[in-house]
Amino acid sequence: DGGITQSPKYLFRKEGQNVTLSCEQNLNHDAMYWYRQDPGQGLRLIYYSQIVNDFQKGDIAEGYSVSREKKESFPLTVTSAQKNPTAFYLCASKPGTSYEQYFGPGTRLTVT
Amino acid sequence: LAKTTQPISMDSYEGQEVNITCSHNNIATNDYITWYQQFPSQGPRFIIQGYKTKVTNEVASLFIPADRKSSTLSLPRVSLSDTAVYYCLVGDMWNNAGNMLTFGGGTRLMVKP
Repeated sequence: DGGITQSPKYLFRKEGQNVTLSCEQNLNHDAMYWYRQDPGQGLRLIYYSQIVNDFQKGDIAEGYSVSREKKESFPLTVTSAQKNPTAFYLCASKPGTSYEQYFGPGTRLTVT
Repeated sequence: LAKTTQPISMDSYEGQEVNITCSHNNIATNDYITWYQQFPSQGPRFIIQGYKTKVTNEVASLFIPADRKSSTLSLPRVSLSDTAVYYCLVGDMWNNAGNMLTFGGGTRLMVKP
């Protein structure tokens, strides 16, 4: 089965801790993206990567970091510098020749 | 950067046709228009994409007038399961991948029995 997986589905952390969200795809897509969604709001772009070992900041990159060491994987680290980390995080990928993004099931992060 | 404006919410009844309009007055020559659907606690799902005139697939139609300053997503004979948020995106994927990926607030469609 091809697709995008995100784990875990729910994640709880204490304030001040860094946490890494996993995103894996076996679709052989070049581009991958991380979004944040707050209740009742649209998606906001955190980071995106169009090729291995390269990534660009989106609209709200502060307090987040990413890596793209493999084509299949694009983990997102939510650092303690992110002031309001509690949110729904979505990962997506896209083939280079299409406008269609494929989204994972999301990770709901709660920081207390 | 092309900004989009959509109604915040719409109500409809089962079996009706629903038209959701998106305004994008600053659309550029190379920009395409893409629509996504999102259910609660799920990632968005691609519905349809177009450049001009009319595009139709198995779930929706997309109407784009000649000036391309707006577009209308048409959902024929909606059912309760079409209750979702619908997003309109505009951008040139090839020259500015980040721009294409700005999801606004979307339109919350509520389908009633």
